Amino acid sequence: DTGVSQNPRHKITKRGQNVTFRCDPISEHNRLYWYRQTLGQGPEFLTYFQNEAQLEKSRLLSDRFSAERPKGSFSTLEIQRTEQGDSAMYLCASSLLLTGSNEKLFFGSGTQLSVL
Amino acid sequence: GDSVTQMEGPVTLSEEAFLTINCTYTATGYPSLFWYVQYPGEGLQLLLKATKADDKGSNKGFEATYRKETTSFHLEKGSVQVSDSAVYFCALGGTGGFKTIFGAGTRLFVKA
Repeated sequence: DTGVSQNPRHKITKRGQNVTFRCDPISEHNRLYWYRQTLGQGPEFLTYFQNEAQLEKSRLLSDRFSAERPKGSFSTLEIQRTEQGDSAMYLCASSLLLTGSNEKLFFGSGTQLSVL
Repeated sequence: GDSVTQMEGPVTLSEEAFLTINCTYTATGYPSLFWYVQYPGEGLQLLLKATKADDKGSNKGFEATYRKETTSFHLEKGSVQVSDSAVYFCALGGTGGFKTIFGAGTRLFVKA
């Protein structure tokens, strides 16, 4: 069991640069979530996919954020023109959601973004 | 929209004390309810869950009961240990019609 893998673990960038994070979910999982977590707060929902379809994107998310899951497997989260307020831990989680069941999320270790 | 509200922390207890962490939710429909835990230096992991009204989830001595009438899912443990020190997150969702969303978390410190 390889678990949910996120890369990179840490990213330091200058304000205005673009960054891209990758998430590899557990292989048979059909749902994939992106969350953002800042110190002392709970994971804040950003977006999620069921297979390759992006089902919802948070209204709080600016247009600088985009996510893809092109083949229903790995996903990427891109932040364009980064701002200091984007500094946070970006968490990926996956789950296997079956009809009539409920969901257990498996989290990756996260990517810590620091925007200077 | 759907939301989860948790009691603010930190909560500091002595070993063997009784623990309650309050959680209430707002949702249209009937989501599943969860408690996740984040131990120091580790990722979030599921602690327990309940899928319908009056269900009780339990794990590692922790319990929570899904109360539809009070829209609550309070976490309890009868006798905490130092190893229970962590951040606890209440969450809802996780069925076909819901995404999983989290409360702000409650940090628990247990003193020996």
